[in-house]
Amino acid sequence: SVLLYQKPNRDICQSGTSLKIQCVADSQVVSMFWYQQFQEQSLMLMATANEGSEATYESGFTKDKFPISRPNLTFSTLTVNNARPGDSSIYFCSSRLGGREQYFGPGTRLTVL
Amino acid sequence: GDSVTQTEGPVTLSEGTSLTVNCSYETKQYPTLFWYVQYPGEGPQLLFKVPKANEKGSNRGFEATYNKEATSFHLQKASVQESDSAVYYCALSEAGAKLTFGGGTRLTVRP
Repeated sequence: SVLLYQKPNRDICQSGTSLKIQCVADSQVVSMFWYQQFQEQSLMLMATANEGSEATYESGFTKDKFPISRPNLTFSTLTVNNARPGDSSIYFCSSRLGGREQYFGPGTRLTVL
Repeated sequence: GDSVTQTEGPVTLSEGTSLTVNCSYETKQYPTLFWYVQYPGEGPQLLFKVPKANEKGSNRGFEATYNKEATSFHLQKASVQESDSAVYYCALSEAGAKLTFGGGTRLTVRP
């Protein structure tokens, strides 16, 4: 398995501001993923990030709104631009090693006022 | 596209009773099936996976059989404990390694 760490654990920001969420893996991983989870709902895949290439976004998520960087095999950042109250949710990073299973970080709870 | 449908919660049981959470899926390919568990304030944890049809996965007393004919992967446990209270997610992954999650089933076990 792989351990993932996220920073910050939680954040509160004002509408219109931007914030960055960091994800660090304890070993090199091929792919990292970002998910959004609203209160009492399931997880929604936002994007897939492979090292050295542009992230691939799922329908409903854009690079302008949620830019993702993947500078090396253990690190990724998700930025939320022009944050709105509707972006208030928990954001998880995940990764996989060689198999199809994914391992998840503890999440970052974002509240946008 | 792929989809996963599971028992809508919440489910409330008394300690020592049996659990079944239904999961059905739709896909055109050959998925690996998973059960994940999420405790409050944490990220989802892999409970177990089953990559092949007609095989069974298990962990911590939970089990599920990959039924390709019925496209089902029901989660079962013979005797639940209070510590099993959590949200359970059925999920599938295709060759591209994307995970598709079901809607989740919240389980509360009363002592």
